[in-house]
Amino acid sequence: AQSVTQLGSHVSVSEGALVLLRCNYSSSVPPYLFWYVQYPNQGLQLLLKYTSAATLVKGINGFEAEFKKSETSFHLTKPSAHMSDAAEYFCAVSSFNQAGTALIFGKGTTLSVSS
Amino acid sequence: KAGVTQTPRYLIKTRGQQVTLSCSPISGHRSVSWYQQTPGQGLQFLFEYFSETQRNKGNFPGRFSGRQFSNSRSEMNVSTLELGDSALYLCASSFGAGGETQYFGPGTRLLVL
Repeated sequence: AQSVTQLGSHVSVSEGALVLLRCNYSSSVPPYLFWYVQYPNQGLQLLLKYTSAATLVKGINGFEAEFKKSETSFHLTKPSAHMSDAAEYFCAVSSFNQAGTALIFGKGTTLSVSS
Repeated sequence: KAGVTQTPRYLIKTRGQQVTLSCSPISGHRSVSWYQQTPGQGLQFLFEYFSETQRNKGNFPGRFSGRQFSNSRSEMNVSTLELGDSALYLCASSFGAGGETQYFGPGTRLLVL
């Protein structure tokens, strides 16, 4: 069974500091991995997606993530945090087989950015 | 291209009632998935529809059901509402199936009193 673990339910950084949100996955097959962001009272917005084409994936708003198979990790980073980055971030793995497709999400990490 | 739309955005019901939520996918998308989001359980997969057929189902009781129409629009129904059904219900669409990117709507926030 596939699963996702996000380390740290809450991360606080200063504006301009490095953002690092951790995600580890468990999958018996090569996974599709995603990072989504959710702002208050909104749905989920796709930040980036890994599909085995390249281990370093660049997304929107300056975010990127690196797939490390040996560590089963897919951590999300951004070199310099902005106040507008404050939101909840979800890592997800796509489970698909003959039975269909489903996204399996981590518990989420709330990012706070202080000035 | 318009995104995924969900109606209504907010809903208040009482225990024992039933509710129907609607989702219109991105034009051209044939797969629609539903998720429940609660503070305690996080984001949980409910079911997936592709070309009017339920392809996958999560671990939810039979009170939760859904369907998809020929234009790919989808509805989900919850019968005999319980307090624990209070949640944000998110719909997501993708072009096909098989790990393709799912694009989410704004959600319907359901409060059961």
